[in-house]
Amino acid sequence: DIQMTQSPSTLSASVGDRVTMTCRASQNINKWLAWYQQTPGKAPRLLIWKASNLQGGVPSRFSGSGSGTEFTLTISSLQPDDFATYYCQHYNSYPWTFGLGTKVEIK
Amino acid sequence: LQQQESGPRLVKPWETLSLTCTVSGGSISSEIDFYWGWFRQSPGKGLEWIGDIYYTGTTYYNPSLKSRVTITVDTSANQFSLSLTSVTASDSAVYYCARRNAAADGGGFDFWGQGALVTVSS
Repeated sequence: DIQMTQSPSTLSASVGDRVTMTCRASQNINKWLAWYQQTPGKAPRLLIWKASNLQGGVPSRFSGSGSGTEFTLTISSLQPDDFATYYCQHYNSYPWTFGLGTKVEIK
Repeated sequence: LQQQESGPRLVKPWETLSLTCTVSGGSISSEIDFYWGWFRQSPGKGLEWIGDIYYTGTTYYNPSLKSRVTITVDTSANQFSLSLTSVTASDSAVYYCARRNAAADGGGFDFWGQGALVTVSS
């Protein structure tokens, strides 16, 4: 199985901050990576697909980049609704796997 | 598109967990670019993919659960279902159904059910 490693596990930030988090794959997954946002008690919400494509309805302050084994998710100006946990997931080959998440908390 | 999980929320150890995902606002059989999946999430194990099914009935399972999992689809009812046998306390989790966009201009799981908390306990 491909292992997905996210860092940091927790990130403290303020409204308006630029925030970047990283996801690393244990082998080359090309660009077959998705990012999700999850708030407590809710299902994950797809933000980014194929590493850098913004899902419809997702604010443009979210962006993704990377290919191969290293990927980043950036929030250009953190908003109150963005305090959540973010997960990366590869879909290069079965089985799909997720990282353990980066929790963005209020500083 | 909306999806809703249904089924027993309390299952006894060594019995079978059964959940159904009802899809509304779209037809499973006409969504040819999409797969339908099951996930679970527990505090100790994070998000775990259980398996996918295509509207034709073709399935893909996580090897870690493959011996105990069956996913089926009922296109006439616009539903797909999960069966997990011989459950133990470690199978207690929130179970989600979701749609995977396999189109050339899409990717990832783009629509999710609200989740069903299933507890395994006697």
